[in-house]
Amino acid sequence: GENVGLHLPTLSVQEGDNSIINCAYSNSASDYFIWYKQESGKGPQFIIDIRSNMDKRQGQRVTVLLNKTVKHLSLQIAATQPGDSAVYFCAENVNPGGSNYKLTFGKGTLLTVNP
Amino acid sequence: GAGVSQSPSNKVTEKGKDVELRCDPISGHTALYWYRQSLGQGLEFLIYFQGNSAPDKSGLPSDRFSAERTGGSVSTLTIQRTQQEDSAVYLCASSFRTGDSPLHFGNGTRLTVT
Repeated sequence: GENVGLHLPTLSVQEGDNSIINCAYSNSASDYFIWYKQESGKGPQFIIDIRSNMDKRQGQRVTVLLNKTVKHLSLQIAATQPGDSAVYFCAENVNPGGSNYKLTFGKGTLLTVNP
Repeated sequence: GAGVSQSPSNKVTEKGKDVELRCDPISGHTALYWYRQSLGQGLEFLIYFQGNSAPDKSGLPSDRFSAERTGGSVSTLTIQRTQQEDSAVYLCASSFRTGDSPLHFGNGTRLTVT
């Protein structure tokens, strides 16, 4: 079946460095992607999304890149802070264009920011 | 404004008992979703509501699981005759519309079946 996966299960960076979290997806028909941040004991928090008609989208300190040729999604966090430490999930819409949809999530990448 | 609210935040129950988990979505959000997250794992889709109807129940693990939504708002996930493998965090999310609108999650109900 189609699924979303992550290249790196853990990532450790120094405070102030830039972080890049990667995600591979296998459903070429997916048209909508979201990055979530999940802190311990909390639900996933929306960070940024991107539609398949775009290849880059920027938010506050975050940038999402979409490469449909190789089915790759990445999240870049600029000037990483200790508060960015969390598990990051990418998710894809596996029922594009349908009247309903469900997101398929990867297993997540644990980002640890060292002060 | 208020986010997605789930109750209880924690639930410990004995094997074989029934449990009800409640979700109060963001006001005005027509779509509501239930997911399950086991320790250290990603999110597993359970069921989706558009209004009060459930077009997609494909993720429900067994017939012990059921969900309903009334008044296009509050939803209840019921697990009958709970088993130890049901232990997980049950997450509810809502969205303004389907297809290209992000899901907003509650903090979940941590269910422990002893």
